[in-house]
Amino acid sequence: QVQLVQSGAEVKKPGASVKVSCKASGYTFTGYYMHWVRQAPGQGLEWMGRINPNSGGTNYAQKFQGRVTMTRDTSISTAYMELSRLRSDDTAVYYCARVGIAALARLDYWGQGTLVTVSS
Amino acid sequence: QSALTQPASVSGSPGQSITISCTGTSSDVGSYNLVSWYQQHPGKAPKLMIYEGSKRPSGVSNRFSGSKSGNTASLTISGLQAEDEADYYCCSYAGSSTFNVVFGGGTKLTVL
Repeated sequence: QVQLVQSGAEVKKPGASVKVSCKASGYTFTGYYMHWVRQAPGQGLEWMGRINPNSGGTNYAQKFQGRVTMTRDTSISTAYMELSRLRSDDTAVYYCARVGIAALARLDYWGQGTLVTVSS
Repeated sequence: QSALTQPASVSGSPGQSITISCTGTSSDVGSYNLVSWYQQHPGKAPKLMIYEGSKRPSGVSNRFSGSKSGNTASLTISGLQAEDEADYYCCSYAGSSTFNVVFGGGTKLTVL
C-alpha cells in the first residue's frame, strides 16, 4: 500500500533552516511528483511547490521562491523540503503529497504531516 | 495567485444535502477541469474526495459529488452523516506560464 512517512517535529529559532523528509513506499517513487503543502495553526492549506523525483526538476510557489529548496534521493525513495530564513509565521504543519505525472492537482496520498515550530 | 474563495462554514442535518462553493477566476477554476476537493478531520492529513472536477477516487462514497460552472466549482454531499463533519478544501491547477496550484480557504461543515 502507498505510504508517505515524514520526519518528526522540529523546533527552530528565527533565521534558521529546517529540512523535512518524506519517505515513500508502496509505489514507484520516480513515477509521481511530490508536492509540499503547509498549514499554519487554525489556517487553511497552502501549496509550496513540487519536485519531479525522476529528473529533480522543481516548481515553487512565488511566495517561497528563494527560501525553499526541494530535493530527492531516489536510492532511498525520499523527498526533502528545506525552508530557510525561518520566521515565526512559518510555524505550521508541513505535508508531502503524491501527484501523478499527468494529474497536475490530484494529491492522492498524503504524509502524516510534520510540525515545525519557529520560536525564539 | 490569490486563494480560491469558499464559505467559512456550512451546516446541515443528518440525511440532508449540502453544497460547498469554490470560486476562482478564469486563470484557474474557469480554465481547467482540474479542481480537486479534500476532507480534513481535526489533527489528520487531508484526504482526496473529488478530482478533475467530478471524479471520485476508489473508496470514496458516492454521496460526494463535484461539478463546475464557469469560475465556480461545487462539492455536494448528500445523505449527510455525522462522520462528514470536517473541513473541506478545494484546489485547482492555476498554471499558465509556470506551474502553480491554489487552494481555497476551507469550509467547516457542521452536521447538526
